[in-house]
Amino acid sequence: EAGVTQSPTHLIKTRGQQVTLRCSPISGHTSVYWYQQALGLGLQFLLWYDEGEERNRGNFPPRFSGRQFPNYSSELNVNALELEDSALYLCASSLEGQGNQPQHFGEGTRLSIL
Amino acid sequence: AQKVTQAQTEISVVEKEDVTLDCVYETRDTTYYLFWYKQPPSGELVFLIRRNSFDEQNEISGRYSWNFQKSTSSFNFTITASQVVDSAVYFCALSEAGGTASKLTFGTGTRLQVTL
Repeated sequence: EAGVTQSPTHLIKTRGQQVTLRCSPISGHTSVYWYQQALGLGLQFLLWYDEGEERNRGNFPPRFSGRQFPNYSSELNVNALELEDSALYLCASSLEGQGNQPQHFGEGTRLSIL
Repeated sequence: AQKVTQAQTEISVVEKEDVTLDCVYETRDTTYYLFWYKQPPSGELVFLIRRNSFDEQNEISGRYSWNFQKSTSSFNFTITASQVVDSAVYFCALSEAGGTASKLTFGTGTRLQVTL
């Protein structure tokens, strides 16, 4: 069974640009989560999508947004990139959006802002 | 608000030593779930275990064991006879029950270095 897949693996952007990260969940999983792992800040919850709807959002500005498609894949969009957005962005999926379901993670997209 | 504390930033052991990674959590919920994840250098977080708040039984899986104590709000992880392949960053995480609270709150992680 294929795990969570993310693309691209690495990305280099400059300040002010926009970026789109993609995530395909494990087959059968309906919930997708996005986390940011920035140096010195640890793993921070960004967004949770379930059945195509945004269910919860972390403490991030509106320039972080996303969506979930009918096939449950997801995109994370970041506008007006800032240097502090440099981080590893991890996507996870779970069977359903209940707190007891383990979240399974992809290998992440490493975003560098110059 | 939820909070997870992993006070040990980095631990170094020699292969075959036992090592315990500490995790202390805070939550106001009576129903919650605790997790441990392993993050090797590749970056992917690997799920290790889930524990429900109403199940305080300890668990053993091969060389891994977990000690959950509600009285001290702790969920510690022990690796017996450590191996070089155990070198990674280990994260403890907490989630609350259902609804919109399905996010994971992570500790800051403990980097384990196992040397020969």
